[in-house]
Amino acid sequence: EVQLLESGGGLVQPGGSLRLSCAASGFTFSSYAMSWVRQAPGKGLEWVSTISGSGGDTYYADSVKGRFTISRDNSKNTLYLQMNSLRAEDSAVYYCAKSIYDVLTPSPYWGQGTLVTVSS
Amino acid sequence: DIVMTQSPDSLAVSLGERATINCKSSQSVLYSSNNNNYLAWYQQKPGQPPKLLIYWASTRESGVPDRFSGSGSGTDFTLTISSLQAEDVAVYYCQQYYSTPLTFGPGTKVDIK
Repeated sequence: EVQLLESGGGLVQPGGSLRLSCAASGFTFSSYAMSWVRQAPGKGLEWVSTISGSGGDTYYADSVKGRFTISRDNSKNTLYLQMNSLRAEDSAVYYCAKSIYDVLTPSPYWGQGTLVTVSS
Repeated sequence: DIVMTQSPDSLAVSLGERATINCKSSQSVLYSSNNNNYLAWYQQKPGQPPKLLIYWASTRESGVPDRFSGSGSGTDFTLTISSLQAEDVAVYYCQQYYSTPLTFGPGTKVDIK
């Protein structure tokens, strides 16, 4: 059974940093692209970033490019999102999601999300 | 960037009746080399992560009831719930995965009339 468990969310001040983790199990982690998608309270879904199975290719939304870094440790079956220079508009539930296979494919598996609140 | 729009913003349908949601992309998401439309539909219930219903515009994800169907090609797509059930109350999003940035529609809220 595919399981994705996010952690690392919390309250952080504007300009601060946070690292999210997503522990994956139930599938061959290195074979699948993984993504982060966020959802601000009461708002719609916003794609944040995707990384290929090998980790060699990464993609970012313009809204986070240069501030966020996606990475993965295939030996630990874990996906990460390093978030720097956080802004109030980054406040959201952050979901990690497993792609069907490659980078440009949809995500049939999602974690329950971790809440990030950026506020002073 | 490919902009996704959805209509209506919300709709209320009687139990057992048909619900239809439209999605339009600002440019074609049909990849000519494989004739696939890079379009997915998700369902999200309150307090839950999104659930993939349909991909390649019309392929139902495993375990999704057959009352959900997707159609369309190019820039215009439709999600149809043929006979609305109480458990279908949710927000529905379309998403293009033709190119990055991957983009979602704003969502359509479906309620019971």
